[in-house]
Amino acid sequence: AQSVAQPEDQVNVAEGNPLTVKCTYSVSGNPYLFWYVQYPNRGLQFLLKYITGDNLVKGSYGFEAEFNKSQTSFHLKNPSALVSDSALYFCAVRDRGRRALTFGSGTRLQVQP
Amino acid sequence: NAGVTQTPKFQVLKTGQSMTLQCAQDMNHNSMYWYRQDPGMGLRLIYYSASEGTTDKGEVPNGYNVSRLNKREFSLRLESAAPSQTSVYFCASSEALGTGSYEQYFGPGTRLTVT
Repeated sequence: AQSVAQPEDQVNVAEGNPLTVKCTYSVSGNPYLFWYVQYPNRGLQFLLKYITGDNLVKGSYGFEAEFNKSQTSFHLKNPSALVSDSALYFCAVRDRGRRALTFGSGTRLQVQP
Repeated sequence: NAGVTQTPKFQVLKTGQSMTLQCAQDMNHNSMYWYRQDPGMGLRLIYYSASEGTTDKGEVPNGYNVSRLNKREFSLRLESAAPSQTSVYFCASSEALGTGSYEQYFGPGTRLTVT
């Protein structure tokens, strides 16, 4: 079975400060890992993915995430938050050989001006 | 390209009524998915179709049926709606396994209320 945990329902950060949104996962094999963002009343938009190779992956809008196999984590980071980054963020995992994604429960990011 | 489109955007049903949610993608993707999103629970997979002509159950298939009409279209049917099916439904698509592209692309969602 595959599962994802996002331990924080909400993260608050001031504009210009760095942000981290946490994600840990559990899979039986090697994972494919993803971050998606959802703005109000919209579908999910793909941010970045880890498939293989470099543990630090860079995505859209200045976001990056670090794959840590020993800690089974894939935390999302941005060095300088913008008010426009305020949204709901989902981590997702897929075991290699499986088709379906398993999503975390989501973390709401609030960036204050 | 429109990407993934869904109709309708909103729907209100009475308990016991039936309806079909429509989804289409213009990215020539092989795989398509239906998810439901409930507060605090993330997205849960209802059904998916790995390729045209095949469908498989996901995590929460009870009360739903699907049809992969052709490569572009994947519909979700509620035969007898229940209040527990009040949710936001998302359709998604992706390339097939082994193609080197792994992310799923999502439609804008259908907000369904069952009274």
